[in-house]
Amino acid sequence: QVQLVASGGGVVQPGGSLRLSCAASGFTFNSYAMHWVRQAPGKGLEWVTFIQYDGSTDFYADSVKGRFTISRDNSKNTLFLQMNSLRPDDTAVYYCARNRNPDFWGQGTLVTVSS
Amino acid sequence: DIVMTQTPLSSPVTLGQPASISCRSSQSLVHTDGNTYLSWLQQRPGQPPRLLIYKISYRFSGVPDRFSGSGAGTDFTLKISRVEAEDVGVYYCMQTTRFPLTFGGGTKVEIK
Repeated sequence: QVQLVASGGGVVQPGGSLRLSCAASGFTFNSYAMHWVRQAPGKGLEWVTFIQYDGSTDFYADSVKGRFTISRDNSKNTLFLQMNSLRPDDTAVYYCARNRNPDFWGQGTLVTVSS
Repeated sequence: DIVMTQTPLSSPVTLGQPASISCRSSQSLVHTDGNTYLSWLQQRPGQPPRLLIYKISYRFSGVPDRFSGSGAGTDFTLKISRVEAEDVGVYYCMQTTRFPLTFGGGTKVEIK
């Protein structure tokens, strides 16, 4: 069955960096576009970034543009999110989601930006 | 950006009774390919979102038929024909027609 397991979250100081991973299994990873979507504590869903199945195209929310970078390693069935210059308002659970029109969502990993 | 507006904010429902959630987009969600990419997600407490409905009215794999979607253009509705205890959670509409993807603010379905 489809599984998306996000990891790499934790507590980081403002201005710091973190790299999230999303390990995919149960489907042909290199055939699917992927997204990162985040959810601040007690709040709604916010789309963060997208990457095409082959890594050729990516898009970012204005709130993270220039600070976050999405990438993927299709040989390892893994999606990444490099987060730099982190701010307190980046605190959220980060979910990876499969497909241009998201159909499966991973469990999420919590990122807390605090001094 | 396309703004998605959901109503109501909260929907207390009696078990076995119907529930309805509305979602309105600030512009048409019809894609140049002719499809309308409006989805409905369910998020149970402590869980990740789960896809229920895609392209307005198509039920995703494993979704009970008490869930149905309808609408066109900028106005969409999710209906639960008979609410069950496992339906408690927050429901979101999501548009994937254009980047950035955007979500409604969520509707909390709870049992009276």
